[in-house]
Amino acid sequence: AQSVTQLGSHVSVSEGALVLLRCNYSSSVPPYLFWYVQYPNQGLQLLLKYTTGATLVKGINGFEAEFKKSETSFHLTKPSAHMSDAAEYFCAVSDAGNMLTFGGGTRLMVKP
Amino acid sequence: GAGVSQSPSNKVTEKGKDVELRCDPISGHTALYWYRQSLGQGLEFLIYFQGNSAPDKSGLPSDRFSAERTGGSVSTLTIQRTQQEDSAVYLCASSPSKGSNQPQHFGDGTRLSIL
Repeated sequence: AQSVTQLGSHVSVSEGALVLLRCNYSSSVPPYLFWYVQYPNQGLQLLLKYTTGATLVKGINGFEAEFKKSETSFHLTKPSAHMSDAAEYFCAVSDAGNMLTFGGGTRLMVKP
Repeated sequence: GAGVSQSPSNKVTEKGKDVELRCDPISGHTALYWYRQSLGQGLEFLIYFQGNSAPDKSGLPSDRFSAERTGGSVSTLTIQRTQQEDSAVYLCASSPSKGSNQPQHFGDGTRLSIL
């Protein structure tokens, strides 16, 4: 069985500060990992994904994430937060079952 | 449209009524998923369709829930005898093909409220 843990249901940063959203996973097989963002009253939008190859993955809107197998982590970062980054972020894992298993989500707040 | 389309966007109904939620996947996508997003349970997988294969129904919470996919395209999720705990946002997603490495593209969801 696979699972995802996102540490911190709420994260608050100042505009221009580093964004770090944490994600740890467990999976019985090599995982495929995803980060999605959800704005109010909208569906989920893919930020980035890790499948194979380079462990540092770059996504849209300046976000990136690094797959660390030894730490079973896939943390999401952005060097400088923007007000428009305020949203809820979900880490997800997919294995041979095809469906996504999501973490509980982290709501990012950006202070001016 | 280019994205996954869901209808209605909002549905309010009385306890005990049946509801149908519709999903139009991205054209050409063979895989289709339903998820439920609720305050207490987060995002949960419900059911998965891939081409003409038998669907994976392992996430359906009870036999009041069913789904079908006609012609390999449009899907309908049906909830019979709705209960208040069915109140949630129901999200549909599609992906180009079978494979756990394929990103899923989500619709904006149907917000279901049971009175």
